[in-house]
Parts: sequence; C-alpha cells; structure tokens
Amino acid sequence: SYVLTQSASVSVAPGQTARIICGGDKIENKGVHWYRRKPGQAPVLVVYDNSDRASGIPERFSGSNSGNAAFLTISRVEAGDEADYYCQVWDSTTRHPVFGGGTKLTV
Amino acid sequence: EVRLVESGGGLVQPGGSLRLSCVVSGFTFDDYAMHWVRLTPGKGLEWVSGISWNSDHKEYADTVKGRFTISRDNGKNSLFLQMNTLKIEDTAVYFCSKEITHDFGDYVFDQWGQGTLVTVSS
Repeated sequence: SYVLTQSASVSVAPGQTARIICGGDKIENKGVHWYRRKPGQAPVLVVYDNSDRASGIPERFSGSNSGNAAFLTISRVEAGDEADYYCQVWDSTTRHPVFGGGTKLTV
Repeated sequence: EVRLVESGGGLVQPGGSLRLSCVVSGFTFDDYAMHWVRLTPGKGLEWVSGISWNSDHKEYADTVKGRFTISRDNGKNSLFLQMNTLKIEDTAVYFCSKEITHDFGDYVFDQWGQGTLVTVSS
C-alpha cells in the first residue's frame, strides 16, 4: 500500500513561515489533502487537491505538490496555528484513502 | 451550522462489540457519502469505512473488514458503525466525517465530528 511520510514535529517562531512536508513515491501524481487537528477538537480540512484552500481557511495557508513531496506552507504563523497536521491521498492500489502519520506544529 | 455528533464509545473487552452513532445537522444528509475515520496515538489517522448516500456502496479498510459494518438512516440523519470482535488495536477515537462532494470516493472530508473514544482492554 501507499506510504506517506511526515516528520514528527516542526517548530517555528510567531510571524515566521512554517513548511510541513508530506513524502510519498511520485506523490506529484496524486491529489493531496491536508487536515489540522487541535487536541480535543474535530479535525479541520485545510487544503484539498494539493492547493485549494477549504472554506474559512485564511490565505496564509497554501499547498503545493512536486516530485516526491507535498508541502503545506503557513505564512505569518500565529500561536493559534499550533496543532497536528495530517496529509492524505487516495491509494490507487487499495482504492482507499491513506493518511500520513501527522506533524506536530509548535509555535 | 454543520454539526456531527458521535456517541456510543466506551470500554469493552477484546472480542466484544460496540455500536457507534453519528447524528448530523446543518446539511442535507442524504446528499453525501459519509465515513468513519479513527485516530490512534501510535498510528495517527486511519480511514475505517465509508458509505454512499443511498447505502448502495460500502467500503472498509482491510483492518476492519468482516468485523465492522457501516450503515445509515437518512430519515434520522444518522450514521452508524457496528463493531464486532473488537481487538486491542481498535482502541482509538472514532470520527464521523462527510465527503466534500456528492460523489462517493472523492475521499476529501470537509466536515468532522468531535469523536467518540473506544477503548478495548481486558
């Protein structure tokens, strides 16, 4: 089955730019979706189909996908952005969705 | 306001059963496919099962196939997950979620509930 690799944690200072990476074999050929989850809360769709922002998500959040890595970039990071971020794609082998292990963003 | 509210979680022994429910409001339930996704501390998010708007199409992760059954009652805006022969590794927070489009199989989940905790332990 298809494997998505995310680093366990990323740390960034307020006001700086955070880049969260999702690695996968030829991931550029897939649509990548990103979710954010804060402790005790429901996950929230942030970006879908590589670069489309979900409803209500500020322009500070952007997505891209190239080669073997997809990226979620958060500009002008705020304390409220602190959360776990998960990438997700559709696995054409199993025909089911698969998630990355998640990246904890610390601000 | 869109709301998805799960219930039915709890502590159960290995081999036991639980039935999870998810009641939704704020959107036309029978227009959308629905899914269950779980979160475990060690493995992160894992898709569990999905069902089309009219229940004609159901899909399961290999880890739960044959043990879990997904269903829905469009008249009651409700989604269900019957979990049998539970294993310790099924311990997780279970979320119900809605697909972003009307088609089953896009697998983009744009609305989620808060989750219900299932603990399988002796």
